Amino acid sequence: GQNIDQPTEMTATEGAIVQINCTYQTSGFNGLFWYQQHAGEAPTFLSYNVLDGLEEKGRFSSFLSRSKGYSYLLLKELQMKDSASYLCAVMDSNYQLIWGAGTKLIIKP
Amino acid sequence: GAVVSQHPSWVICKSGTSVKIECRSLDFQATTMFWYRQFPKQSLMLMATSNEGSKATYEQGVEKDKFLINHASLTLSTLTVTSAHPEDSSFYICSARAGGQVETQYFGPGTRLLVL
Repeated sequence: GQNIDQPTEMTATEGAIVQINCTYQTSGFNGLFWYQQHAGEAPTFLSYNVLDGLEEKGRFSSFLSRSKGYSYLLLKELQMKDSASYLCAVMDSNYQLIWGAGTKLIIKP
Repeated sequence: GAVVSQHPSWVICKSGTSVKIECRSLDFQATTMFWYRQFPKQSLMLMATSNEGSKATYEQGVEKDKFLINHASLTLSTLTVTSAHPEDSSFYICSARAGGQVETQYFGPGTRLLVL
């Protein structure tokens, strides 16, 4: 079966760095996405990785290792507004998104 | 970036009535649209995938006669929840994908449905 695993909840301090991990097992791979979702809102796109390595975009970076079925989202210089759920999703061989359950990130002052 | 709108953003209805939710791609042609449902504190659950001009493909466990999807044009898809019941209360989100851009889905803002 297809499976996406990520931690349910994480807590970090304002100004710090946090890494949210995601492991996956899917039928085929056409890229991995990270989305941010604030409570009561729809997801917003953060990043897309299809090749191994690190993609940096401002305070957010995303890493992919296809051989390990592993990705992480790195958030630097955390701000209170970064408190949200972070969803990992993999596009399978049919170009369908397989979603993780999301990681709720709590930022403390 | 590409914009997807949903209407209405909030709807409250009585049990047994039908509710229609619209999803529009405002500045691009969406060959494929997706309908998701999200219950509190849970992840997105794909309900169905619709391609313009053809019947929607429903995920296992989703009743196609209850959740009617119409993708009549390249910019509009509708989801009709027929004979809604309280357990249908949820957050319904659509997303749209432009032709040739399989890696990109643009999400609408979502519609919160409350069935009394």
